[in-house]
Amino acid sequence: GENVEQHPSTLSVQEGDSAVIKCTYSDSASNYFPWYKQELGKRPQLIIDIRSNVGEKKDQRIAVTLNKTAKHFSLHITETQPEDSAVYFCAASYNGQNFVFGPGTRLSVLP
Amino acid sequence: GAGVSQSPSNKVTEKGKDVELRCDPISGHTALYWYRQSLGQGLEFLIYFQGNSAPDKSGLPSDRFSAERTGGSVSTLTIQRTQQEDSAVYLCASSLMASGNNEQFFGPGTRLTVL
Repeated sequence: GENVEQHPSTLSVQEGDSAVIKCTYSDSASNYFPWYKQELGKRPQLIIDIRSNVGEKKDQRIAVTLNKTAKHFSLHITETQPEDSAVYFCAASYNGQNFVFGPGTRLSVLP
Repeated sequence: GAGVSQSPSNKVTEKGKDVELRCDPISGHTALYWYRQSLGQGLEFLIYFQGNSAPDKSGLPSDRFSAERTGGSVSTLTIQRTQQEDSAVYLCASSLMASGNNEQFFGPGTRLTVL
């Protein structure tokens, strides 16, 4: 079955700096890769996703890149703000079926 | 419109009791997922329903766990003979699954505490 690894487990950056979180997956059939943000005590919310027919997707300060050959994808947050502090989860899925999540990255943006 | 709702929001039970957790997905969403999240941990997949197809139960941790989805809408996750290690937040999510729209929308979760 699918296995998703995520690094780093914790990340601290200064406000205004960039943050990068990386995930690898094992099943080459996976074709949908979402990223979720979960604030303390709240539900996960989708922040960006990418499909296997695209190499990069950007939405304002957030971008995701996908390397199908190497089976890894990354989340990039630029100009970080304190409200970006949260736990971020990556996931891999085939056509929206069985989602496998990474273990999460706790991002702290220091003022 | 209304999002995914779950009930109860909190459930405290004694070891050995059965519990039922309810999920109301977004209207029209054909896919429904259950996850378990232990404190400070990631999301553990439990079960997935898609339309009228047989559910994918590959994530259920033991035969004490079961789930059903009646009429393609509301779902109930049942845990029999609860154990202390079952304590976690149980999250439900739904997805439209039409035209390749796979985005999952999560409910607020049910926090289960087994004493």
